[in-house]
Amino acid sequence: EVQLLESGGDLVQPGGSLRLSCAASGFTFNSYAMNWVRQAPGKGLEWVSAVSGSGTSTYNADSVKGRFTISRDNSKNTLHLQMNSLRAEDTAVYYCAKSILAGLHYYAMDVWGQGTTVTVSS
Amino acid sequence: QSALTQPASVSGSPGQSIAISCTGTSSDVGGYPYVSWYQQHPGKTPKLMIYDVTIRPSGVSNRFSGSKSGNTASLTISGLQAEDEADYYCSSFASSDTLVFGGGTKLTVL
Repeated sequence: EVQLLESGGDLVQPGGSLRLSCAASGFTFNSYAMNWVRQAPGKGLEWVSAVSGSGTSTYNADSVKGRFTISRDNSKNTLHLQMNSLRAEDTAVYYCAKSILAGLHYYAMDVWGQGTTVTVSS
Repeated sequence: QSALTQPASVSGSPGQSIAISCTGTSSDVGGYPYVSWYQQHPGKTPKLMIYDVTIRPSGVSNRFSGSKSGNTASLTISGLQAEDEADYYCSSFASSDTLVFGGGTKLTVL
């Protein structure tokens, strides 16, 4: 069974840092691009970042560019999101999500984790 | 990276067909064949219903279909059922190699 399990969410002060992780199982991890998508309380979905299967190509939303870094460790089947200079508006549930197609296609996500909650507040 | 425009809510009676629109620009919806649709029930994670404009993932009912004309994509649900009541989000690949979501549409089955 394909599974994604996020961890690392926490309460952090504005300006602080946090590192999210997503453990993947049940599929050939390095064959698929992976995404982070967030959802603020009571709000809609917002794409955050994507990384290619090899990890060599990364893509970021303008709202997080220069602050967040997506990466992956294919030897450990794990996806990461390093979040720096956090702001109140980054408060959300963060989901990791697997691309439905192998290769460079990261435009659609067929498997989602349960999410991890990040709260930015003083 | 402006969000795609979706109606805030749509409704229909069981058995009817409804359509949810998703309007963008030539830099996203109109420019690429990469529109997806997600269903999200309250407290649940999103479920992929349509990708690459018209393709249904394995296991998704054929009552769900997608289309696109110009800068507007649509999700059509036929034979509406009570279990279809949920929030629906469109997304599209956009220039600068980004993805953009719509604001979401709440579907109510009357």
